Order: sequence, then C-alpha cells, then structure tokens
Amino acid sequence: AAGVIQSPRHLIKEKRETATLKCYPIPRHDTVYWYQQGPGQDPQFLISFYEKMQSDKGSIPDRFSAQQFSDYHSELNMSSLELGDSALYFCASAIERGGRGTDTQYFGPGTRLTVL
Amino acid sequence: KNQVEQSPQSLIILEGKNCTLQCNYTVSPFSNLRWYKQDTGRGPVSLTIMTFSENTKSNGRYTATLDADTKQSSLHITASQLSDSASYICVVSARGNNRLAFGKGNQVVVIP
Repeated sequence: AAGVIQSPRHLIKEKRETATLKCYPIPRHDTVYWYQQGPGQDPQFLISFYEKMQSDKGSIPDRFSAQQFSDYHSELNMSSLELGDSALYFCASAIERGGRGTDTQYFGPGTRLTVL
Repeated sequence: KNQVEQSPQSLIILEGKNCTLQCNYTVSPFSNLRWYKQDTGRGPVSLTIMTFSENTKSNGRYTATLDADTKQSSLHITASQLSDSASYICVVSARGNNRLAFGKGNQVVVIP
C-alpha cells in the first residue's frame, strides 16, 4: 500500500540558510500534519492543513511557513536556520471525514535536518 | 506536566516472552487513543486506535486495552520477537481538534 512520502530524507544546512521539506500524503488523504522531533524528544506538533487551508497551528516558529497544494502535497519552508532546528521532521496524513475528526494519522519516514 | 505518561520508560525482555506497557493520560475531552511503534530514526507506525467505547483491540501479537474511566491504556506484546525492539508511543487525541498528545514512549529491547 502507498505510504506517506517525504523528501529529502536527509538534509544538511548551515546556520541562517533556508530549507524546504516536502510531504506527499497517502492518495485520497486530505489532511497533512507536520511534527518536529528533537533528539530524545517526543514529536511536537507544528502545523496542519485540511483541503489546502491551515487547520491548526502548534509550536511552529515564525521563521517557518508551510502550505498545502492542490495535489494535497505539503511543503515546510524553514528560513534563518538555527542549530536548534536540527531534528527529525515528520509529516503525517489522514482523512478528515468532513471536518468531524480524523482517522489514524499515518506518518512518513521523516526528514532528518542537521544544521551546522 | 505531560498529558500522556508512559511506563516503564524502558525494558529488556527475552525473545518469546510477553510484556505489558502502560499509558496514563489526562487529555480531555477524550477522542481516541493510539499506540504507535517507532523504530529508531523512522516514522511512527500505527498499531491500534481505540475510541471511548472500545475496551480492547488486537493487531497480531499486539493487544491494546483502554479504560476510559481511569484514563489508562496498556499494550500487551505476546511472544516477543527481536523485531519488536522499538519505542512504543501512546498518543491521545482530544475531541474538537485532532492535535495529538504524545507520550515519551516505552523503549523495548528484545534479546535472544
């Protein structure tokens, strides 16, 4: 079965650079969630999109932005990178069921970002 | 204080043995509780999902229970295999939005 695809799988950047992470949800899934997982930490919710509209916002820094496109893939744009941004970034997709709440969130393999 | 607490933090078990992982939560209003398995450096993989009215759910050798009154859940692994070595994360969702509250995970190591 198709899973959530994230690219790139690994990314190395220097401080103050920018990075773009991409997420391709499972076909027919209309909701995308972004999480940041630091070393030894549990995933922290960043932001979510339903039908290309931002549906919820968590602890996403102002330096980050995200959007969902017409084909439902999503991109997380990160600017002015800091050392503390080094983490595993997960994307998860789900079916929103008309806004009443979703079924299971299926996670992608993650993008490991290292900021030097 | 974390809304989802898991215990034990880590455990080592012999291959073939059973183990039980615990999860206590304070998330309210409660929508559903999920157990995920996460291998190191990989994305979490869903094992079970239970809503308020469900007491138990199985997925192969994994059996999850839920007591919504005491806000406790357990994940029982039967006849453990080496491939069961992973972090098992309890995740609770609040009704009204689908933001997830993650536990810190139970780190399980299965040894031959």
